[in-house]
Amino acid sequence: GAVVSQHPSRVICKSGTSVKIECRSLDFQATTMFWYRQFPKQSLMLMATSNEGSKATYEQGVEKDKFLINHASLTLSTLTVTSAHPEDSSFYICSAREPGQGLAIYNEQFFGPGTRLTVL
Amino acid sequence: QKEVEQNSGPLSVPEGAIASLNCTYSDRVSQSFFWYRQYSGKSPELIMSIYSNGDKEDGRFTAQLNKASQYVSLLIRDSQPSDSATYLCAVKEGLTYKYIFGTGTRLKVLA
Repeated sequence: GAVVSQHPSRVICKSGTSVKIECRSLDFQATTMFWYRQFPKQSLMLMATSNEGSKATYEQGVEKDKFLINHASLTLSTLTVTSAHPEDSSFYICSAREPGQGLAIYNEQFFGPGTRLTVL
Repeated sequence: QKEVEQNSGPLSVPEGAIASLNCTYSDRVSQSFFWYRQYSGKSPELIMSIYSNGDKEDGRFTAQLNKASQYVSLLIRDSQPSDSATYLCAVKEGLTYKYIFGTGTRLKVLA
């Protein structure tokens, strides 16, 4: 159980185009999903927290107009990188939290396989 | 700014040895701690979670937590070449659901 998928796994696009990445919880309903970005040889940096039916909460320094997040259902969140530029090339990883699992301290995130974005 | 610190390595150990990975964190309120393994180009996979002071063992892995010292470690016994990866320490921020990741320690197990 607790499987999270991402699509696409890899995308190459031209500078100035927009790219949409999907994150799906396959066997549970995810009240909250998280989007991370990882540059080469660096750690995962949280970009935003996405709650179903409400606006995403962005971390400091993340441009909300550039990284559009939609969490329209309990099993799907999307991240759209608008007007992508080469500096947006990175590994984007989503995770999902399964609700109702007792105390919050025991609540774990389940990670998707990641999407490698390359902007030419 | 809440931080999670790890030695970036690489930490090289011979096959069969014990690998010891360390992590310190700054948020005294944190209650949940995780160790993830990440192979190059792949997403992190959970190895261990630990919530209480002391040791928690799972197969060849033992996580140790000392909240007073704000320190969490991971021991890998009988290290195998397949254990070669980057190990990420993650701390749940305070009483929120957010994770803060360390920069990771690269482990090399030499055959």
